[in-house]
Amino acid sequence: GAVVSQHPSWVICKSGTSVKIECRSLDFQATTMFWYRQFPKQSLMLMATSNEGSKATYEQGVEKDKFLINHASLTLSTLTVTSAHPEDSSFYICSAGGTSASYEQYFGPGTRLTVT
Amino acid sequence: KQEVTQIPAALSVPEGENLVLNCSFTDSAIYNLQWFRQDPGKGLTSLLLIQSSQREQTSGRLNASLDKSSGRSTLYIAASQPGDSATYLCAVTGNFNKFYFGSGTKLNVKP
Repeated sequence: GAVVSQHPSWVICKSGTSVKIECRSLDFQATTMFWYRQFPKQSLMLMATSNEGSKATYEQGVEKDKFLINHASLTLSTLTVTSAHPEDSSFYICSAGGTSASYEQYFGPGTRLTVT
Repeated sequence: KQEVTQIPAALSVPEGENLVLNCSFTDSAIYNLQWFRQDPGKGLTSLLLIQSSQREQTSGRLNASLDKSSGRSTLYIAASQPGDSATYLCAVTGNFNKFYFGSGTKLNVKP
């Protein structure tokens, strides 16, 4: 089956620094990937849609200059949290689409970010 | 905007009981609905995917139904086991392949 990986699985960084999270589709090509954020005891909230070769589309209320998304290839999307603050501490999950006929999404295992 | 609601928010049952989790959505123009399981601190495990043209899907002890016109889905778990304890999320797929998630039902199955 389709596998999506994320790296790192967890990261701790100091306030004011930037951290990059990678999302890879291991056995299929994904022209579109999605980034979600999940706060403790809450559901997943879509942050942005990452499109290969073009700019990401951000959901309302998500700062595009703070959460930089790059979709450099058909198998890799990165999310960079710039000038991180403690309130950015969260669980970040990416997903990649399968065939357009099914609209099924395959989710990565998530990255736990803690900003101190 | 699509709103997805899950009821109940939490459920505690003794082992062996059959149970039903509910999911409702406000916009019936969906491509599919998917049920996921999430263990604490972990990612999502896909359980069942129902296409918009389908009425139900079954996998082992799990059965999910979809009534698109009324904006409802149910996940039926038969003969629950302690290993079923987790948070169950439903999500619908709308335009541009966007997923909209419910807030989840936290299930605890007591031995």
